Amino acid sequence: SFELTQAPSVSVSPGQSASITCSGDKLGERYTYWYQQKPGQSPVLIIFQDNKRPSGIPERFSGSNSGNTATLTISGTQTMDEADYHCQAWDITTTTAVFGGGTKLTVL
Amino acid sequence: QVQLQQWGAGLLKPSETLSLTCVVSGGSFSDYYWSWIRQPPGKGLEWIGEIDHSGSTYYKPSLKSRVTISADTSKNQFSLKLSSVTAADMAVYYCARASGEVNTGWHDAFDIWGRGTMVTVSS
Repeated sequence: SFELTQAPSVSVSPGQSASITCSGDKLGERYTYWYQQKPGQSPVLIIFQDNKRPSGIPERFSGSNSGNTATLTISGTQTMDEADYHCQAWDITTTTAVFGGGTKLTVL
Repeated sequence: QVQLQQWGAGLLKPSETLSLTCVVSGGSFSDYYWSWIRQPPGKGLEWIGEIDHSGSTYYKPSLKSRVTISADTSKNQFSLKLSSVTAADMAVYYCARASGEVNTGWHDAFDIWGRGTMVTVSS
């Protein structure tokens, strides 16, 4: 079955760039989505179709997807960006949504 | 502005059936897919299944034998039933909207989420 893998945690200093990766077999051949989730809150879509930002999402969030890895990059990371980040893709063969395990981003 | 409001029992005993409902307000029901997603405490998101306006459903294979998702389009709402719950089913359950093209089966992002319902399973 199709699976997505994320590192459990990533740390970054304020103002620096953070990269969060998501890996899966031939992931670059399908769209990847990214969601931000802060404690006690519902997930929020921040990147869709690999690299597009919904209205209201800051430009410092960007995405890429190639080969077996999709990457969420946060440029000029701010303390407010501290959250869990979840990647997601669709398994077209079974019409099921698959999520990665989530990455906790710590800004310190 | 589209909103999802969800409700249902938050405390169940083992072997009981979990039942949650989500109502869609401020937007179309027929142009999207409607999913249930759960998150055990301290863990990642797990997709449970979805329904569209025609009643077509898809379920996560490992949960399929216990899950039923239904919809009442006249009320713009959809529901989740999960039978024979155990402690492993304890989680925050979210309803969510996925965009896409229902006519072709193409799915896009989960762009609207409900606020979540914590479900506890305890004897």
